[in-house]
Parts: sequence; structure tokens; C-alpha cells
Amino acid sequence: DTAVSQTPKYLVTQMGNDKSIKCEQNLGHDTMYWYKQDSKKFLKIMFSYNNKELIINETVPNRFSPKSPDKAHLNLHINSLELGDSAVYFCASSPQWGRSNTGELFFGEGSRLTVL
Amino acid sequence: QKEVEQNSGPLSVPEGAIASLNCTYSDRGSQSFFWYRQYSGKSPELIMSIYSNGDKEDGRFTAQLNKASQYVSLLIRDSQPSDSATYLCAVSSGDTGRRALTFGSGTRLQVQP
Repeated sequence: DTAVSQTPKYLVTQMGNDKSIKCEQNLGHDTMYWYKQDSKKFLKIMFSYNNKELIINETVPNRFSPKSPDKAHLNLHINSLELGDSAVYFCASSPQWGRSNTGELFFGEGSRLTVL
Repeated sequence: QKEVEQNSGPLSVPEGAIASLNCTYSDRGSQSFFWYRQYSGKSPELIMSIYSNGDKEDGRFTAQLNKASQYVSLLIRDSQPSDSATYLCAVSSGDTGRRALTFGSGTRLQVQP
């Protein structure tokens, strides 16, 4: 069973288009994240949701809109795609932060977005 | 701006040698520290975590933490070609309830057969 699954794994699209990436986790975790990894391997947080509530919203263009219909799902919609959006987008989950939570992230396989 | 710094490498070591990977971080309030391994085209996977000063050993891996110097390291003993990957240092940051991991840009390790 895949713990954190993302679809699609690959997207190739034209500038200006809109695309969505879906993420689901079956670990029972409360917190889910979107990270962006650029061509230099730098992994940067974009958003975090805890039990469907937006917790972290880093400096991300408002063309990026996350949605969490329930705590097991976190989707990412991107409007008006630009060349600079080309990257690998990783979904991750973790148990709720607390005294016993070590902070380990469980990553999905990534979705490679190429904007032409 | 909370930062995690790593030398991008590549760090090249012969098979059987010890590989030493280093990481510094800027947020003195950080409490949890992690090393993730990422093979090319794959997702990061956790290999070590450390929360208190000193050394923590797990098999061929040893993580070292020095909070006073804001320094974390990973030693890989008896390096194998299969250890060739990018190693990401990650540090927890933020207030309880808003925590996330901040990653360094990774060090690429090459183990030569």
C-alpha cells in the first residue's frame, strides 16, 4: 500500500494553462504539505494544512491554490502556468506536531511539472 | 529567514571509506534535525533523526549534533556505491502548530567502486 500517493507523476503543459495535482495519504496523519523542488534540488515548503486548516502559506504566488477536502487529501491547483513553475512538487504528511511528534515527513513520489 | 546550509558537492569517496556530510543552520530555536537521502528521480527518504547534542548511531550511519555551534553532521562508514545519492539536511522550525521542516540544498555523494 502506498502511504502518500500523488497524481499525476508527470505533467507537460503550455504556458498560461491551468493544472492540478492531487495527493492522498493513508497514514492517518493530521498534517499535509506541499514542497517544491527546483532544478538545483532545493526543497522549499509552499503550504501546510493541519486537519483541513491552512497553517503555513509561504511566499507563493496566488496562482497556486491548495485545497484540503479532508485530512487525508491535499490538492494543488496552479493557474496561468509560467516557465518558472517547472519543478518537482512533493506532497508530504506527518503526524500532528506535539511533544511526542518527531517531525518526520513522509513524502509522495513527486509530480514533475514541465511548462513549455 | 531561517536557513540550512550544505556544501553541494559532489563529495567523492572510495568504496569502504567514511563519508562525512556537514550542515549548519541559522535558527537557534530548532529542536529536531534530520538527514534524508534522495536518489535521482526519487522522493526523499528519512535515514537519521537526532534531537539532542551528541552522537546517534544506526548501523553504518552516525548523526552528530552540536546546538551551540548550530552544526549537524552525518557520517557514513564503509561507504557503498549504493550510498551514492543526494543527502538533504532538514531542521524543524516555527512555533508549535506551524512547524515544518526547512531543508538544505543537499550534498551529492559519489562512492567510487
